[in-house]
Amino acid sequence: GQNIDQPTEMTATEGAIVQINCTYQTSGFNGLFWYQQHAGEAPTFLSYNVLDGLEEKGRFSSFLSRSKGYSYLLLKELQMKDSASYLCAVKDGNYQLIWGAGTKLIIKP
Amino acid sequence: GAVVSQHPSWVICKSGTSVKIECRSLDFQATTMFWYRQFPKQSLMLMATSNEGSKATYEQGVEKDKFLINHASLTLSTLTVTSAHPEDSSFYICSAERGTTEAFFGQGTRLTVV
Repeated sequence: GQNIDQPTEMTATEGAIVQINCTYQTSGFNGLFWYQQHAGEAPTFLSYNVLDGLEEKGRFSSFLSRSKGYSYLLLKELQMKDSASYLCAVKDGNYQLIWGAGTKLIIKP
Repeated sequence: GAVVSQHPSWVICKSGTSVKIECRSLDFQATTMFWYRQFPKQSLMLMATSNEGSKATYEQGVEKDKFLINHASLTLSTLTVTSAHPEDSSFYICSAERGTTEAFFGQGTRLTVV
Protein backbone atom coordinates (compact mmCIF):
# COMPACT_ATOMS: atom_id res chain seq x y z
CA GLY A 1 0.00 0.00 0.00
CA GLN A 2 0.93 3.63 -0.17
CA ASN A 3 1.50 5.70 2.91
CA ILE A 4 2.96 8.92 4.17
CA ASP A 5 4.30 9.22 7.72
CA GLN A 6 4.87 12.42 9.64
CA PRO A 7 4.84 13.20 13.36
CA THR A 8 1.45 13.98 14.82
CA GLU A 9 2.52 16.98 16.84
CA MET A 10 5.61 19.08 17.53
CA THR A 11 6.32 21.96 19.86
CA ALA A 12 8.89 24.71 19.31
CA THR A 13 9.82 28.08 20.72
CA GLU A 14 9.28 31.43 19.04
CA GLY A 15 12.43 32.51 17.21
CA ALA A 16 13.83 28.98 17.04
CA ILE A 17 14.14 26.50 14.15
CA VAL A 18 12.04 23.39 13.67
CA GLN A 19 12.31 20.51 11.23
CA ILE A 20 9.23 18.48 10.31
CA ASN A 21 10.04 15.12 8.74
CA CYS A 22 8.03 13.15 6.22
CA THR A 23 8.70 9.65 4.93
CA TYR A 24 6.78 8.06 2.12
CA GLN A 25 6.24 4.78 0.31
CA THR A 26 4.37 5.19 -2.94
CA SER A 27 3.99 3.46 -6.27
CA GLY A 28 6.01 5.86 -8.36
CA PHE A 29 6.88 9.43 -7.56
CA ASN A 30 6.01 12.67 -9.28
CA GLY A 31 6.76 15.25 -6.65
CA LEU A 32 6.32 16.07 -2.98
CA PHE A 33 4.35 18.97 -1.60
CA TRP A 34 4.18 20.76 1.72
CA TYR A 35 1.07 22.66 2.71
CA GLN A 36 0.24 24.79 5.73
CA GLN A 37 -3.23 24.65 7.20
CA HIS A 38 -4.50 26.87 9.98
CA ALA A 39 -7.42 25.59 11.99
CA GLY A 40 -10.70 26.01 10.14
CA GLU A 41 -9.05 27.11 6.93
CA ALA A 42 -8.08 25.44 3.68
CA PRO A 43 -4.45 24.40 3.07
CA THR A 44 -2.06 26.83 1.46
CA PHE A 45 0.84 25.79 -0.73
CA LEU A 46 4.33 26.07 0.75
CA SER A 47 6.70 24.10 -1.44
CA TYR A 48 7.17 21.53 -4.17
CA ASN A 49 10.17 19.21 -4.61
CA VAL A 50 10.63 16.79 -7.46
CA LEU A 51 14.44 16.59 -7.56
CA ASP A 52 16.77 15.76 -4.69
CA GLY A 53 18.06 18.64 -2.69
CA LEU A 54 17.04 21.69 -0.77
CA GLU A 55 14.57 24.32 -1.94
CA GLU A 56 14.69 27.55 0.03
CA LYS A 57 11.90 30.09 0.13
CA GLY A 58 12.31 32.78 2.75
CA ARG A 59 12.02 31.34 6.25
CA PHE A 60 10.84 28.00 4.88
CA SER A 61 13.00 25.35 3.21
CA SER A 62 12.10 21.89 1.98
CA PHE A 63 14.45 18.99 1.36
CA LEU A 64 13.95 15.82 -0.64
CA SER A 65 15.82 12.54 -0.92
CA ARG A 66 14.05 10.28 -3.39
CA SER A 67 16.33 7.31 -2.71
CA LYS A 68 15.41 7.42 0.97
CA GLY A 69 11.76 8.32 0.46
CA TYR A 70 12.30 11.23 2.80
CA SER A 71 11.59 14.92 2.99
CA TYR A 72 11.67 17.59 5.62
CA LEU A 73 10.27 21.07 6.01
CA LEU A 74 12.53 23.48 7.87
CA LEU A 75 11.05 26.56 9.46
CA LYS A 76 13.42 29.25 10.71
CA GLU A 77 12.87 32.27 12.96
CA LEU A 78 9.59 30.83 14.14
CA GLN A 79 6.72 33.21 14.67
CA MET A 80 3.53 32.65 16.61
CA LYS A 81 1.57 32.74 13.35
CA ASP A 82 3.46 29.62 12.23
CA SER A 83 1.32 27.60 14.63
CA ALA A 84 -0.61 25.41 12.22
CA SER A 85 -0.77 21.93 10.78
CA TYR A 86 1.77 21.08 8.10
CA LEU A 87 0.72 18.54 5.52
CA CYS A 88 3.08 16.44 3.44
CA ALA A 89 1.68 15.06 0.19
CA VAL A 90 3.19 12.97 -2.60
CA LYS A 91 2.10 12.54 -6.18
CA ASP A 92 2.40 8.88 -7.07
CA GLY A 93 3.09 7.30 -10.45
CA ASN A 94 -0.48 7.97 -11.54
CA TYR A 95 -0.22 11.61 -10.48
CA GLN A 96 -2.62 10.94 -7.64
CA LEU A 97 -1.96 13.03 -4.55
CA ILE A 98 -1.40 10.95 -1.43
CA TRP A 99 -1.76 12.92 1.81
CA GLY A 100 -0.07 12.54 5.15
CA ALA A 101 -2.12 13.03 8.29
CA GLY A 102 -0.40 16.32 9.04
CA THR A 103 1.86 17.57 11.82
CA LYS A 104 0.39 20.02 14.28
CA LEU A 105 3.05 22.57 15.16
CA ILE A 106 2.66 24.45 18.43
CA ILE A 107 4.77 27.57 18.91
CA LYS A 108 5.39 28.73 22.45
CA PRO A 109 6.57 32.23 23.41
CA GLY B 1 -0.31 32.04 -7.18
CA ALA B 2 -3.48 31.00 -8.92
CA VAL B 3 -6.87 31.65 -7.34
CA VAL B 4 -9.54 29.08 -6.61
CA SER B 5 -12.81 30.41 -5.30
CA GLN B 6 -15.19 28.19 -3.34
CA HIS B 7 -18.69 29.19 -2.34
CA PRO B 8 -20.37 29.29 0.03
CA SER B 9 -17.85 29.56 2.87
CA TRP B 10 -20.37 28.20 5.29
CA VAL B 11 -23.90 26.91 5.09
CA ILE B 12 -26.50 25.61 7.50
CA CYS B 13 -29.24 23.45 6.10
CA LYS B 14 -32.06 21.32 7.37
CA SER B 15 -31.82 17.58 7.38
CA GLY B 16 -33.17 16.10 4.15
CA THR B 17 -32.39 19.10 1.96
CA SER B 18 -29.66 19.40 -0.66
CA VAL B 19 -26.73 21.78 -0.70
CA LYS B 20 -24.62 22.80 -3.67
CA ILE B 21 -21.00 23.93 -3.30
CA GLU B 22 -19.20 25.62 -6.18
CA CYS B 23 -15.51 25.59 -6.94
CA ARG B 24 -14.10 27.94 -9.56
CA SER B 25 -10.60 28.45 -10.87
CA LEU B 26 -10.56 32.19 -11.52
CA ASP B 27 -7.43 32.76 -13.55
CA PHE B 28 -6.53 29.41 -15.05
CA GLN B 29 -8.15 26.40 -16.65
CA ALA B 30 -8.09 23.45 -14.29
CA THR B 31 -7.40 20.10 -15.87
CA THR B 32 -8.57 18.29 -12.78
CA MET B 33 -10.51 19.27 -9.67
CA PHE B 34 -10.61 17.40 -6.40
CA TRP B 35 -13.12 17.36 -3.60
CA TYR B 36 -12.01 16.69 -0.05
CA ARG B 37 -13.72 16.31 3.26
CA GLN B 38 -12.07 17.07 6.56
CA PHE B 39 -13.29 16.28 10.04
CA PRO B 40 -11.98 18.26 13.02
CA LYS B 41 -8.34 17.58 13.82
CA GLN B 42 -8.05 15.10 10.97
CA SER B 43 -6.31 15.27 7.63
CA LEU B 44 -7.90 15.72 4.25
CA MET B 45 -9.91 12.82 2.93
CA LEU B 46 -10.20 12.69 -0.85
CA MET B 47 -13.80 12.14 -1.88
CA ALA B 48 -13.61 12.31 -5.65
CA THR B 49 -11.63 13.45 -8.64
CA SER B 50 -13.38 15.23 -11.46
CA ASN B 51 -12.25 16.00 -14.97
CA GLU B 52 -14.10 18.38 -17.23
CA GLY B 53 -16.71 16.69 -19.37
CA SER B 54 -16.42 13.25 -17.82
CA LYS B 55 -17.85 11.45 -14.83
CA ALA B 56 -16.16 11.92 -11.51
CA THR B 57 -14.07 9.15 -10.00
CA TYR B 58 -15.15 8.48 -6.45
CA GLU B 59 -12.98 7.08 -3.71
CA GLN B 60 -13.97 3.87 -2.05
CA GLY B 61 -16.70 4.37 0.51
CA VAL B 62 -17.98 7.63 -0.95
CA GLU B 63 -21.58 7.40 -2.16
CA LYS B 64 -21.75 8.88 -5.65
CA ASP B 65 -25.53 9.23 -5.50
CA LYS B 66 -25.27 11.24 -2.33
CA PHE B 67 -22.36 13.44 -3.34
CA LEU B 68 -23.09 14.54 -6.89
CA ILE B 69 -20.22 16.12 -8.75
CA ASN B 70 -20.58 18.05 -11.95
CA HIS B 71 -17.59 19.42 -13.81
CA ALA B 72 -19.26 21.43 -16.52
CA SER B 73 -16.28 23.48 -17.66
CA LEU B 74 -12.55 23.84 -17.19
CA THR B 75 -13.16 26.47 -14.53
CA LEU B 76 -16.16 25.17 -12.59
CA SER B 77 -16.93 22.07 -10.57
CA THR B 78 -19.87 21.64 -8.22
CA LEU B 79 -20.50 19.26 -5.35
CA THR B 80 -24.10 18.69 -4.33
CA VAL B 81 -24.76 16.98 -1.03
CA THR B 82 -28.18 15.41 -1.50
CA SER B 83 -30.60 14.58 1.29
CA ALA B 84 -28.16 15.89 3.84
CA HIS B 85 -27.98 14.38 7.32
CA PRO B 86 -26.25 15.65 10.45
CA GLU B 87 -23.39 13.18 9.89
CA ASP B 88 -22.64 14.99 6.62
CA SER B 89 -21.66 18.05 8.63
CA SER B 90 -18.01 18.65 7.82
CA PHE B 91 -15.50 20.94 6.16
CA TYR B 92 -15.51 20.43 2.40
CA ILE B 93 -12.56 21.67 0.37
CA CYS B 94 -11.98 21.71 -3.36
CA SER B 95 -8.70 21.98 -5.17
CA ALA B 96 -7.94 22.65 -8.79
CA GLU B 97 -4.89 21.50 -10.65
CA ARG B 98 -2.98 23.50 -13.20
CA GLY B 99 -0.98 21.00 -15.19
CA THR B 100 0.15 17.99 -13.18
CA THR B 101 2.25 19.62 -10.52
CA GLU B 102 0.33 22.50 -9.05
CA ALA B 103 -2.81 22.25 -6.94
CA PHE B 104 -4.58 25.25 -5.46
CA PHE B 105 -7.24 25.07 -2.78
CA GLY B 106 -10.50 26.87 -2.38
CA GLN B 107 -11.34 28.50 0.92
CA GLY B 108 -13.40 25.56 2.06
CA THR B 109 -17.09 25.24 2.95
CA ARG B 110 -18.23 24.46 6.46
CA LEU B 111 -21.49 22.55 6.21
CA THR B 112 -23.72 22.15 9.24
CA VAL B 113 -26.83 20.01 8.90
CA VAL B 114 -29.42 20.51 11.60
